[in-house]
Amino acid sequence: DSGVTQTPKHLITATGQRVTLRCSPRSGDLSVYWYQQSLDQGLQFLIQYYNGEERAKGNILERFSAQQFPDLHSELNLSSLELGDSALYFCASSVGGASLETQYFGPGTRLLVL
Amino acid sequence: AQSVTQLDSQVPVFEEAPVELRCNYSSSVSVYLFWYVQYPNQGLQLLLKYLSGSTLVKGINGFEAEFNKSQTSFHLRKPSVHISDTAEYFCAVSDTGTASKLTFGTGTRLQVTL
Repeated sequence: DSGVTQTPKHLITATGQRVTLRCSPRSGDLSVYWYQQSLDQGLQFLIQYYNGEERAKGNILERFSAQQFPDLHSELNLSSLELGDSALYFCASSVGGASLETQYFGPGTRLLVL
Repeated sequence: AQSVTQLDSQVPVFEEAPVELRCNYSSSVSVYLFWYVQYPNQGLQLLLKYLSGSTLVKGINGFEAEFNKSQTSFHLRKPSVHISDTAEYFCAVSDTGTASKLTFGTGTRLQVTL
């Protein structure tokens, strides 16, 4: 158990809908990362937050947005969902967000768009 | 930008045999290198990382990796594998800047059999 929690574990929705994925980092970690794992694209970095502020951005679509709240939990919002958004979405956390730190991954949220 | 190549998508090996999983990277700047393992239906767990110093890095579960700058490689090795090592292994790279954006390879499926 990494200490990172993600809810829900599974999500089934329809095209065009909007969903919110939630992540709680390890106790004491200030930085949160979101990744998408799909058969087509592999594991891709989406976005990083540090203490509530966006720190780095990867291949995140404009239909996707994220935020980190004062209690340090984070939410990833996916809107206007398409079939191709079906994937496993991981959240990870680290202490300070520096590139040399170990990122601790949650178990993921499996999203299926029908 | 960085990229990671894991040439072997699958590596079958018998229990107690040695194994090497190959990883090559490309980057125009200094990098940190990581190996993560993903067991079925779980998140990723760090096996080891190279930051600087000794090019031979030892990790958890008896794994080690060697950083070779001239060949831009970071191959993962284990002298004797167990059935429990069956998993997906990901090599990843990040630059040494302040933001942490892990770029992952496509993964190598290690299948250990009796």
